[in-house]
Amino acid sequence: GAVVSQHPSWVICKSGTSVKIECRSLDFQATTMFWYRQFPKQSLMLMATSNEGSKATYEQGVEKDKFLINHASLTLSTLTVTSAHPEDSSFYICSARDAIGTFSSYEQYFGPGTRLTVT
Amino acid sequence: AQKVTQAQTEISVVEKEDVTLDCVYETRDTTYYLFWYKQPPSGELVFLIRRNSFDEQNEISGRYSWNFQKSTSSFNFTITASQVVDSAVYFCALSEVRDDKIIFGKGTRLHILP
Repeated sequence: GAVVSQHPSWVICKSGTSVKIECRSLDFQATTMFWYRQFPKQSLMLMATSNEGSKATYEQGVEKDKFLINHASLTLSTLTVTSAHPEDSSFYICSARDAIGTFSSYEQYFGPGTRLTVT
Repeated sequence: AQKVTQAQTEISVVEKEDVTLDCVYETRDTTYYLFWYKQPPSGELVFLIRRNSFDEQNEISGRYSWNFQKSTSSFNFTITASQVVDSAVYFCALSEVRDDKIIFGKGTRLHILP
């Protein structure tokens, strides 16, 4: 139980194009999801907090117009990297909070990550 | 503001040795959670432990043990009789209850040499 999936697991796109990454909680409801970015050999940096039915809250320094987040349902949040550039190449990881304690109250579960390469 | 410091960037030990990974944290809150995660080369985070701020009991799980000391704001992780499969990056993390954000340390890259 408590599985979070991400799709795609890896993606290569050309500079200037947009790419969408999906984060799904498969067996629990998640009113809140978090998006992290991890550059090679670095730590995970929180990008934004995604709340179902409302606007995402972005961390300082993260461009909200570049990283569009939509949390349209209790099991799905999407991160769209718009007009991607090579410096956006990174490992993107989401986590979902088990809001009603299906498995563990307010525990966060991490997805397997999506590796984005922009050429 | 919350902060997690993992001073050891990289550690190498020979298999079967014990190794301790250090973690020091900062928070103004009295209620918080501390975590350890393992990240193997595949990239997927593996949850190891979550400890709340009111529970200072040390924890042991197989070859893994954790030492939580509020007096020194530390949450150290020890692997006993290390194995090659323990090679990975280990992250210590902190979450304040008021906002649920998990803030990660910079990680310690652990190499277990055969």
